[in-house]
Amino acid sequence: SQTIHQWPATLVQPVGSPLSLECTVEGTSNPNLYWYRQAAGRGLQLLFYSIGIDQISSEVPQNLSASRPQDRQFILSSKKLLLSDSGFYLCAWSLGTGGFGRNQPQHFGDGTRLSIL
Amino acid sequence: AQSVTQLDSHVSVSEGTPVLLRCNYSSSYSPSLFWYVQHPNKGLQLLLKYTSAATLVKGINGFEAEFKKSETSFHLTKPSAHMSDAAEYFCVVSDRAPRAAGNKLTFGGGTRVLVKP
Repeated sequence: SQTIHQWPATLVQPVGSPLSLECTVEGTSNPNLYWYRQAAGRGLQLLFYSIGIDQISSEVPQNLSASRPQDRQFILSSKKLLLSDSGFYLCAWSLGTGGFGRNQPQHFGDGTRLSIL
Repeated sequence: AQSVTQLDSHVSVSEGTPVLLRCNYSSSYSPSLFWYVQHPNKGLQLLLKYTSAATLVKGINGFEAEFKKSETSFHLTKPSAHMSDAAEYFCVVSDRAPRAAGNKLTFGGGTRVLVKP
């Protein structure tokens, strides 16, 4: 069966420091991968998605970047964190079907709670 | 374009009584619809999905949802609430889209469920 691992679970960082959050998926090949942010009291905001290595799309202009160095590894980074980067970050995957993927649900990791001081 | 409206931001029920969470959607194409549950500081867990098969969909933990195209609704129900059902619930729509679009989802604003003993 497929599993998704996300770490760390919690992180406290000072303003201006760098960030690296990691996500890996096991048990499937060539998945679609996603990064979301969930701010307190708000819904989920899609930040990045990737349908393959070196194929990453950004949904919103921001202080963050994403990379996919391996098929099942997705990394969220920042060079200098802002206070507004605080939130709950969720990684997700879905089956990377060859054609339409609309029937495929996304499966989420347990998230990283990021607090910026 | 697609959108999802969860009609109640909060629902309070007594343990053992029915739960109804309301969701309306709009979609340019025949949608796929999902319900997810999120417990505090956890990721989202898939409860059930509708993908143009049977309109009454059964999910995990006793939940079910009915797709009504004429009403553009996908309400979630459970006959008898349990204390462990206290969580936030998200109704989600996925439009028909090519794989290049990464099977993006549109999330409702969430409904927080409180279960009273």
